[in-house]
Amino acid sequence: DAGVIQSPRHEVTEMGQEVTLRCKPISGHDYLFWYRQTMMRGLELLIYFNNNVPIDDSGMPEDRFSAKMPNASFSTLKIQPSEPRDSAVYFCASTEQLAGTQYFGPGTRLTVL
Amino acid sequence: EDKVVQSPLSLVVHEGDTVTLNCSYEVTNFRSLLWYKQEKKAPTFLFMLTSSGIEKKSGRLSSILDKKELFSILNITATQTGDSAVYLCAGATQGGSEKLVFGKGTKLTVNP
Repeated sequence: DAGVIQSPRHEVTEMGQEVTLRCKPISGHDYLFWYRQTMMRGLELLIYFNNNVPIDDSGMPEDRFSAKMPNASFSTLKIQPSEPRDSAVYFCASTEQLAGTQYFGPGTRLTVL
Repeated sequence: EDKVVQSPLSLVVHEGDTVTLNCSYEVTNFRSLLWYKQEKKAPTFLFMLTSSGIEKKSGRLSSILDKKELFSILNITATQTGDSAVYLCAGATQGGSEKLVFGKGTKLTVNP
């Protein structure tokens, strides 16, 4: 298996623009997680899905952030409008069981100017 | 609020030294404690600990959990430069909303 796939790997955009990050989980994994990592706050859970259904989005910072999982093999995290403080590395992770090991994708490094 | 605190924040040692990384947690409905290694990219899984007092080993790395005192340690013996990384500890919750709560990590630098 190719592991968790994320795209793009790097994104540089200007404040106010819409940003869409993409994730393909490992096949057969029913859980998908979106995390954000910054130096100040470390690794934070934003939202997670079970069988394509959002279960806990309490970590989503504000209404500018939204996430969807239209099918078992694809998820998006959208920021609209983006702000400089959104600059971070965004990771997607997946797992077979909730108590199981989470496998992380390579991350998307987002820079908002 | 759930939290995981790691110490020290950073550590610099020489090859061959033994290091101990600490993780304390306050996690509601605690299920397990996980350790990850993060080099320049994504975190990679090291250990999952569910039971107190049972050491898990993988080569030069070992870890143990104390559910009474709410902490875990990660030991690395005979360190090598390839061990240089950020080591992340996470508490896993159980129940209606299950998730991982991560600490900020310990940055380990192993010098030749």
